[in-house]
Amino acid sequence: AQRVTQPEKLLSVFKGAPVELKCNYSYSGSPELFWYVQYSRQRLQLLLRHISRESIKGFTADLNKGETSFHLKKPFAQEEDSAMYYCALSGFGTYKYIFGTGTRLKVLA
Amino acid sequence: DAGVIQSPRHEVTEMGQEVTLRCKPISGHNSLFWYRQTMMRGLELLIYFNNNVPIDDSGMPEDRFSAKMPNASFSTLKIQPSEPRDSAVYFCASSLPNSGRDTIYFGEGSWLTVV
Repeated sequence: AQRVTQPEKLLSVFKGAPVELKCNYSYSGSPELFWYVQYSRQRLQLLLRHISRESIKGFTADLNKGETSFHLKKPFAQEEDSAMYYCALSGFGTYKYIFGTGTRLKVLA
Repeated sequence: DAGVIQSPRHEVTEMGQEVTLRCKPISGHNSLFWYRQTMMRGLELLIYFNNNVPIDDSGMPEDRFSAKMPNASFSTLKIQPSEPRDSAVYFCASSLPNSGRDTIYFGEGSWLTVV
């Protein structure tokens, strides 16, 4: 079954603390993984995708095929990082994007 | 490009009324998606179109929901009759054609409240 799992609904950290948002996936083929961010009452926007291997706003994510994970990390959280984060998967040859249920990140002052 | 454009941004309607949500995808994109976002269920895919053809509508909750894409630049999601449990944010999204390995771009959403 194709599935994206984000086990945490809410993650609260203090400003300056490291952040890790977990994402595990289940897919039989070769997936492409994404992280999307949604700031309060705004549209979802792409944060990063595994294929580009870049760091955006200090966030990085590494695809671990052995553990079928694509965790999002940032060494030092900022208050402006507070948002909803969605992990998503897209499969080769399909037009379907599967989203996880999202994790709300709250960065406390 | 102005991005994916949705209207209305906010709608409050009474139970039993018909609701029509509209979407204009990014020019050149030939995949279009309708998602529903709620606190309880997160982001659910309702339907997606490729080249104006509905490919997968398995996420459409029930017969009260229908979606159309009469041309490459316009899609509608209709709820008739609406019920309070339909209250949610409805997102339209589009993507570029390239075997699925593309970024999906979202509109700002239509915030629907059914009272």
